[in-house]
Amino acid sequence: GAGVSQSPSNKVTEKGKDVELRCDPISGHTALYWYRQSLGQGLEFLIYFQGNSAPDKSGLPSDRFSAERTGGSVSTLTIQRTQQEDSAVYLCASSLAGGQGLYGYTFGSGTRLTVV
Amino acid sequence: GESVGLHLPTLSVQEGDNSIINCAYSNSASDYFIWYKQESGKGPQFIIDIRSNMDKRQGQRVTVLLNKTVKHLSLQIAATQPGDSAVYFCAENSGGSNYKLTFGKGTLLTVNP
Repeated sequence: GAGVSQSPSNKVTEKGKDVELRCDPISGHTALYWYRQSLGQGLEFLIYFQGNSAPDKSGLPSDRFSAERTGGSVSTLTIQRTQQEDSAVYLCASSLAGGQGLYGYTFGSGTRLTVV
Repeated sequence: GESVGLHLPTLSVQEGDNSIINCAYSNSASDYFIWYKQESGKGPQFIIDIRSNMDKRQGQRVTVLLNKTVKHLSLQIAATQPGDSAVYFCAENSGGSNYKLTFGKGTLLTVNP
């Protein structure tokens, strides 16, 4: 597609439920990233994919968070047993190739997650 | 470590004035820096970047200055327009990383007509 597409744009969930957030990167972008943006904060790195593998998962806050990427394209970020502190905007980005630096690093509009 | 706060630094300017947004970065090994603009409900949008072998780079109405000695980055916007109103973030490639960005906390720019 023309840009990075994320769905849903907004999600309200009850505490303890699982949620799945989807990211569809720019066609041809092999690198994909997830970031989290809490209220009034900068972006916090969560995970990096190169193709279908995730060389860096160091930013995932707990084992309730997981992500996968299939076919070198769409990625899903899953949060299990959501907690109120998980409320944030989850942003996905993609770029041509992580190994060639950060050129063309393009963000989607994010999914705003609210845990009630 | 990072400071935590719920209130963004703010800058309010009159339309047509020049704006200067400042940022202190954290890692002296970072060698690539980006300024992003984020409008309400949207993701960060690339504005301009600079490598550490430069101290100034100009784009259309924007200039980025880099001072590696004090680990300081600034974004200058000439003839600020109402459409420039947004939150501006600086980002560094975390310690020289070729994939990970570390973001500053952002500055809210408000342009008054």
